[in-house]
Amino acid sequence: ILNVEQSPQSLHVQEGDSTNFTCSFPSSNFYALHWYRWETAKSPEALFVMTLNGDEKKKGRISATLNTKEGYSYLYIKGSQPEDSATYLCACQIYNQGGKLIFGQGTELSVKP
Amino acid sequence: EAGVTQSPTHLIKTRGQQATLRCSPISGHTSVYWYQQALGLGLQFLLWYDEGEERNRGNFPPRFSGRQFPNYSSELNVNALELEDSALYLCASSLSRDGNSPLHFGNGTRLTVT
Repeated sequence: ILNVEQSPQSLHVQEGDSTNFTCSFPSSNFYALHWYRWETAKSPEALFVMTLNGDEKKKGRISATLNTKEGYSYLYIKGSQPEDSATYLCACQIYNQGGKLIFGQGTELSVKP
Repeated sequence: EAGVTQSPTHLIKTRGQQATLRCSPISGHTSVYWYQQALGLGLQFLLWYDEGEERNRGNFPPRFSGRQFPNYSSELNVNALELEDSALYLCASSLSRDGNSPLHFGNGTRLTVT
C-alpha cells in the first residue's frame, strides 16, 4: 500500500511567524508531487506541481522543495498571515498510475492575528 | 473563466438507492477526476476519465461507476448505496493527462446516506 504522510497534522502560529510542513511519499516509481491549499467552504486550490529532484517553486510567500531520492517535500510559508489559514494537502503520482493522485491527510494551519 | 461546477451541492439518499452526481470541467479540459473524502479520511481517488473513456479507477467496488460525455462533462453513479458511502465527492479537471498539470477542483457534492 502506497502512503503519503504529512506532518504535523495541525499547526497554530502567530501572524508573522514563518512555518514549514513536511510531506513524505514513496520514492520508487515517483512521477509528480502536488501541493494544494484547501480553505474551509472552498475547493482545493493548486499551489505547485513538481517533478524533478531538487525542484524549488515559489508563489508569493509560499515556496516548496522536492527531494525525490529520499521521498520528501517541504512547504514553507514566510510571514504567515491569517488568510493563510487552511489545510495544506500534498499528493503524489507514481508511474503507471495515470490520473491517480495519492493524497496525504493534510496539515491544518491556523494563523492567529 | 468558469471553474469546475458540480451538482447537486447536497444529496440525501436512503440505503439501497442510487445516487447520480454531475460535474462540468473547465472549458478546454478533457480530463475529469473523481475523489471521495469520507469522514476522517483523506481524499481517495475514485475514477479518471479522459476523452470519453475511463482511464483508471481506484480501489472502490463496481457499485461506483461513471461516464464522460462528448462535451467532457461527467457523471458519477453510486448504486446500492451503503451508509459508509456518506462523504464529500469532489470532481476535478486538468488541462492535460500527463500528471504534470494541476487539478482544478469543484466545490463538491455532499452525499448523505440514511
